[in-house]
Order: sequence, then C-alpha cells, then structure tokens
Amino acid sequence: GENVEQHPSTLSVQEGDSAVIKCTYSDSASNYFPWYKQELGKGPQLIIDIRSNVGEKKDQRIAVTLNKTAKHFSLHITETQPEDSAVYFCAASMGGGSNYKLTFGKGTLLTVNP
Amino acid sequence: EAGVTQFPSHSVIEKGQTVTLRCDPISGHDNLYWYRRVMGKEIKFLLHFVKESKQDESGMPNNRFLAERTGGTYSTLKVQPAELEDSGVYFCASSQRTNSPLHFGNGTRLTVT
Repeated sequence: GENVEQHPSTLSVQEGDSAVIKCTYSDSASNYFPWYKQELGKGPQLIIDIRSNVGEKKDQRIAVTLNKTAKHFSLHITETQPEDSAVYFCAASMGGGSNYKLTFGKGTLLTVNP
Repeated sequence: EAGVTQFPSHSVIEKGQTVTLRCDPISGHDNLYWYRRVMGKEIKFLLHFVKESKQDESGMPNNRFLAERTGGTYSTLKVQPAELEDSGVYFCASSQRTNSPLHFGNGTRLTVT
C-alpha cells in the first residue's frame, strides 16, 4: 500500500520567515495530495490540496508544489505568523472516487516565534 | 453551516469495557468516514459510509470494532471489549461526494487503562 514520509517532524521559525515541509510518497498511482492543519484540541482542517495534473498551487501565503517524477510534494508558508503555529499533515490518495482513503504523514509541529 | 461534531470529546475507560463514539456529519453530506490516530503514529483510515451503507471497511483493525450509520445520518463507532492498544484519537469526517475534500471533526480522545 501507499506510504507517506514527512519531514521535518518539528520546525521552529521566526515570525516573518518562510517554512517548508516536505513529503514523499511511494505509490505512483496516487494523484491527490491535500495538506491539513491541526490546532490544539481541534481536528485536521484542509488548507490546500493539489492534483497530479498540476505542478504548483498557491493560496495567499500558502503554496504547494508537486514533483510526480520524484514522488514528492512540499508545503511552503511565506511570511509566517504566530497563528500559523500548529501541526501540519500531508496526505496522498488515489483521487477520483477514492479521495477519502487518505494515507497521512506523521505530521510536522510548526512553531512560529514572535 | 455547522461542522462535523463528535461526542464525547474525551473518554477514559478500563480494559474490557465498552465505549461508543458518536459522529454527526455536516448536513447533506452522504459520505462519512472514520479515521484514528494512535500514539506516535499516523492518522489512519478505518471505514467509509455512503448514506447508511458501508462502502469500505478495509481499515477496521478487528471485530471488536463495530460502526453503524442507521438512517444515513449520524454514525456510531463501538469498541467492545476495549484493549489498551485502542487508545488514541478517533476522527470522523464527511464529504458531499467521494471525490470532495474531507471535513474533519475535532475527534474523540479515547484512553483505555
């Protein structure tokens, strides 16, 4: 089955700096890659997703890039703010009618220091 | 629009006891999913309902776990009898269609002592 590796497990940055989280996946059939943000005491919230027919997607300060050949995708957060502090999860699935069967990475605890 | 709600938020039970978790999906979402995260591990898929029918229960760990969705509205996940390794956070999610993004609830933290 699919395996998703996520790095780093913890990341500490200064407010205003950029943060990058990287994930690799094993199954070349995967074609849907969402990123979730989980704040303390809450469930994972979708922040951005990308499908395999797109190499990059951007939403304000957040961007995701996908390299299908290398089977890795990354989350980029620019101009970080303290409220960006949370655990971030990457995930992969076969997409189509199987978006729901997500394989998650282990998560990255991002701390943005004011 | 109300999000996915889960009850209880926390549950502490002894090994061998029974616990029932409840999930109310977003109104109008026919698709409902259960995921869980055990300590130090990834969030893992358990099963998927479309309305009241189980479409995929390939992630259910064993027959001590029983999920139901009578009437296609809320769902329950029963663990009977609970074991120590069942401790973790159980998440419910819902979506309009199977290819729509998932909306997660805040989870139920289950501790089995």
